[in-house]
Amino acid sequence: AQSVTQLDSQVPVFEEAPVELRCNYSSSVSVYLFWYVQYPNQGLQLLLKYLSGSTLVKGINGFEAEFNKSQTSFHLRKPSVHISDTAEYFCAVSDPRDDKIIFGKGTRLHILP
Amino acid sequence: DTGVSQDPRHKITKRGQNVTFRCDPISEHNRLYWYRQTLGQGPEFLTYFQNEAQLEKSRLLSDRFSAERPKGSFSTLEIQRTEQGDSAMYLCASSRTGLAVNYEQYFGPGTRLTVT
Repeated sequence: AQSVTQLDSQVPVFEEAPVELRCNYSSSVSVYLFWYVQYPNQGLQLLLKYLSGSTLVKGINGFEAEFNKSQTSFHLRKPSVHISDTAEYFCAVSDPRDDKIIFGKGTRLHILP
Repeated sequence: DTGVSQDPRHKITKRGQNVTFRCDPISEHNRLYWYRQTLGQGPEFLTYFQNEAQLEKSRLLSDRFSAERPKGSFSTLEIQRTEQGDSAMYLCASSRTGLAVNYEQYFGPGTRLTVT
């Protein structure tokens, strides 16, 4: 079985500052990794995904994530955040055999002016 | 591609009543998933279909919950004898398997259920 741990429930950061949202996973099989974003009162939107290949994955809105197999981590980063990045961010894993997604509990990104 | 749609967007019901939600996936997607999201938590998997076949159900899906996907198109999720603990956002997602798969699930806006 797979599981996902998001180490921070909330992350405050000043506008235009860099941010890193941490994610660790556990699995006995190879998995696919995802970051989803949920804006207030909206559904989930895919930011980026890692399936295989290059461990640095670039996504939408200037976000990127790095897959680290030895540390079983998939941290999300952005070099300069904007007020529009205020949202909840979910790290997730899926088993390629059925692509059922297991989500973390989420990290609320709070942008300070 | 009109995206995944869900109806209704909000439902308020009294404890003990039955409710039914509908999900319309992206038309060429053969897989359809239901998730439940409670406040402060990530979405939790409930069940999924490949075409009309229900392939897996989570232990979270009690006997009061039933899901169908007749003809492999839209899906319904019914909750019988609702309880206050059923209050949550119910999310639907769809994806495509096969040669053109991109391993991405597309989520609908969700149905927010409040049981009073």
